Amino acid sequence: DAKTTQPNSMESNEEEPVHLPCNHSTISGTDYIHWYRQLPSQGPEYVIHGLTSNVNNRMASLAIAEDRKSSTLILHRATLRDAAVYYCILRDASSGNTGKLIFGQGTTLQVKP
Amino acid sequence: NAGVTQTPKFQVLKTGQSMTLQCAQDMNHEYMSWYRQDPGMGLRLIHYSVGAGITDQGEVPNGYNVSRSTTEDFPLRLLSAAPSQTSVYFCASSPASSGNRYTFGSGTRLTVV
Repeated sequence: DAKTTQPNSMESNEEEPVHLPCNHSTISGTDYIHWYRQLPSQGPEYVIHGLTSNVNNRMASLAIAEDRKSSTLILHRATLRDAAVYYCILRDASSGNTGKLIFGQGTTLQVKP
Repeated sequence: NAGVTQTPKFQVLKTGQSMTLQCAQDMNHEYMSWYRQDPGMGLRLIHYSVGAGITDQGEVPNGYNVSRSTTEDFPLRLLSAAPSQTSVYFCASSPASSGNRYTFGSGTRLTVV
């Protein structure tokens, strides 16, 4: 499984944008880039995913580098509720893939009022 | 639509006891997985399944058994509980395509004394 590298922690001020980086230099052509987050004392929840193009949904935006070796999760206006651990995960879509989702250590985001 | 349901939410076991953590999903998802999360750590994959009758080992399978007799259910069995298995356990399910998201249950907090 290809690995991802994320900063251990980041801080943000409330109502400001947050850019969470992820490096995945060994990504293969069939790997989807998934982002999940885990709020305190809860199970992980899906945030967004993409393959090659930038993606937007109601929660966040995902910007994928042209060479796909890095990506950035963008929270447009951070709220206190966005304080969580954010995980960047590669999920293999090649034929015969097992659908495994392997978590790394993630980035702990602190949002200050 | 209940999503992924885990029972029980809390459990205390004595060393050497056995028990089964239950996981059920009502979304007709092919893929199901079990994770454990130790305090302050990320999630580690225990076992996963790509469909009824098919299971495989994840990152930390020792001490745990699984079976998948139906699409809906994926129980996790601890044959002889040890204090090292004290953790929060999460079950998750996903449609088969890697372009789809995993949905997580709310977790079972297990303490082995």
